[in-house]
Order: sequence, then structure tokens, then C-alpha cells
Amino acid sequence: GQQLNQSPQSMFIQEGEDVSMNCTSSSIFNTWLWYKQDPGEGPVLLIALYKAGELTSNGRLTAQFGITRKDSFLNISASIPSDVGIYFCAGMKYGNKLVFGAGTILRVKS
Amino acid sequence: DTAVSQTPKYLVTQMGNDKSIKCEQNLGHDTMYWYKQDSKKFLKIMFSYNNKELIINETVPNRFSPKSPDKAHLNLHINSLELGDSAVYFCASTRGGANTGELFFGEGSRLTVL
Repeated sequence: GQQLNQSPQSMFIQEGEDVSMNCTSSSIFNTWLWYKQDPGEGPVLLIALYKAGELTSNGRLTAQFGITRKDSFLNISASIPSDVGIYFCAGMKYGNKLVFGAGTILRVKS
Repeated sequence: DTAVSQTPKYLVTQMGNDKSIKCEQNLGHDTMYWYKQDSKKFLKIMFSYNNKELIINETVPNRFSPKSPDKAHLNLHINSLELGDSAVYFCASTRGGANTGELFFGEGSRLTVL
């Protein structure tokens, strides 16, 4: 089945540092999305990307839809303690179900 | 008002029992889902309903039976619970038509089977 490889698995960074994580697939996707899950909560959509090469920002977050349509990355600038959580990438083809990556656990040291 | 609400939030039960989790969304969405999140935090789709009609049914034991009385509700009933059913179950919804993948998740229902 379709599989997304998300890396890194976890990160422990200093407050104020920038963070970068990515997701790759052997399949082409038409949509890439990034979700964040806080402890004890459900995932919340951060950014959705619909076009190859698209670069989208949401505050300190920036995500890009890879030109090959097989990858995406998420950057967080100037991390703060409330950035802690699990970040999931997700990919979807038209008319098909959403596939999630395994998640990147982010811990921030203040 | 909570957009996607699930009850109960926590459920502890014995092996062999039958239990249900309820989900309601007040977003007017046409499509609802059940996802299972295991101990490694991996999110796996179980079922999807569009306007009360089953559209996705992943390889899930038939002990799991979803029911959608109307498009705002999707309940999950589990028979003969097993230890491996322990997980967090998330309900989610999205608008119908062109499925954008933009899901709204509930807070989750943590099921522990002893």
C-alpha cells in the first residue's frame, strides 16, 4: 500500500531554533497536508498544499509541495515551547483516502 | 461549541465485552471517519461514511461495526473486545464533494482493554 516516510522521528531542540522535517513517498500525491497533535488532543490541520512547487506559510510555519509531487517539507522558525507535539504529514490522491506519515515528535527546551 | 465531539473520552473495560463510542459533528460536513491511533502514534483509517453511506472500509475485524444514523453522527461499536483493541480512536469529518484531505478531528476516545 501507499507509504509515507517521515523524518526525523523525533527532535529535541533549544527554544528559538528553527526546525525542519520532511516527508517522502514512492507514489505521487495530489495533495500534501501537515497536521499537529498536542498531547491528549486530536490532530489539527496546519497547512494544506494543492499544487506541485507550492510554498505556503502560516505564521512561523512554512511548507512546500515538492516539484516531483513525491515529497513535502515543513519548517518552523524560532521555535517556542508551545510548538511541542507530534507533527504528521499526510498525502492524498484524488478520490482516495488520506495516508499519514508516522509523525515527528518535537520537544523544545526552554 | 465543539466541532467534532466524541464520547466517552476514556473507556476501560474487560476483554470480551462490547462497547460503543459515539461521534457527532456540528460543521455540516458530509463525510465522517474513524481512525485508530496505536501506541506508536500511527494513525490508520478504519472507516469512512459519506452522507450515511459507507465509502471506505479498511481491513478491520468485523467485530468493529460503524453506524451512521444521519450525516452528523458516526458511531463505532466493538464486539468481543481484545487486548489489541487498546488504542485511541479518533472521529473526524470533512466536507463532501472534492475531498481536500482537510480533516477536523475529535479529541479522541482512549480505549483500554484489560
